[in-house]
Amino acid sequence: QKEVEQDPGPLSVPEGAIVSLNCTYSNSAFQYFMWYRQYSRKGPELLMYTYSSGNKEDGRFTAQVDKSSKYISLFIRDSQPSDSATYLCAMRVPAQKLVFGQGTRLTINP
Amino acid sequence: ETGVTQSPTHLIKTRGQQVTLRCSSQSGHNTVSWYQQALGQGPQFIFQYYREEENGRGNFPPRFSGLQFPNYSSELNVNALELDDSALYLCASSFDWDEAFFGQGTRLTVV
Repeated sequence: QKEVEQDPGPLSVPEGAIVSLNCTYSNSAFQYFMWYRQYSRKGPELLMYTYSSGNKEDGRFTAQVDKSSKYISLFIRDSQPSDSATYLCAMRVPAQKLVFGQGTRLTINP
Repeated sequence: ETGVTQSPTHLIKTRGQQVTLRCSSQSGHNTVSWYQQALGQGPQFIFQYYREEENGRGNFPPRFSGLQFPNYSSELNVNALELDDSALYLCASSFDWDEAFFGQGTRLTVV
């Protein structure tokens, strides 16, 4: 079993839809949780960074962490075609490597 | 832009050759990590350098080696290249173990 599981998709939704991206994990020692966006042939771009259970909002993006269920989510409101990318969840134990999910390929259709 | 720059952006090598990839970390960052990302997969941790010392290594063979310089820039060296080494190689820098910011990657093709 992988430490971090992410539905690879692909996921295709119409412009303006609310998108929900999810990851589950098995290592209860993970304390830091991140979401990265990666456009084709580019490096990952940090979107959200959190270390506590609950919600964190930044513009149209909301990151949700539920440590009791070992489950994290990223919500995108009012999705735009420019949001089309691969979204990677990542997490780590303090002072250790990042462990990534497989990535979810998202397409927003105009 | 993150301030993390990698060179070269693309590279084609022959099986058995050696390759060196370079990373310039963001100003103020002292930690550099390297990741390998195969097509359609998430990045896999290779190793990390903190203040010029290796500080953790993933499940990669010894022919993957690295170095961090006093200015915190870094190199990834791969010897005896294999076809399966074809991937996007990513460098990430951070201050200590804070948020990690990635460069644009080096796409290596081994033929």
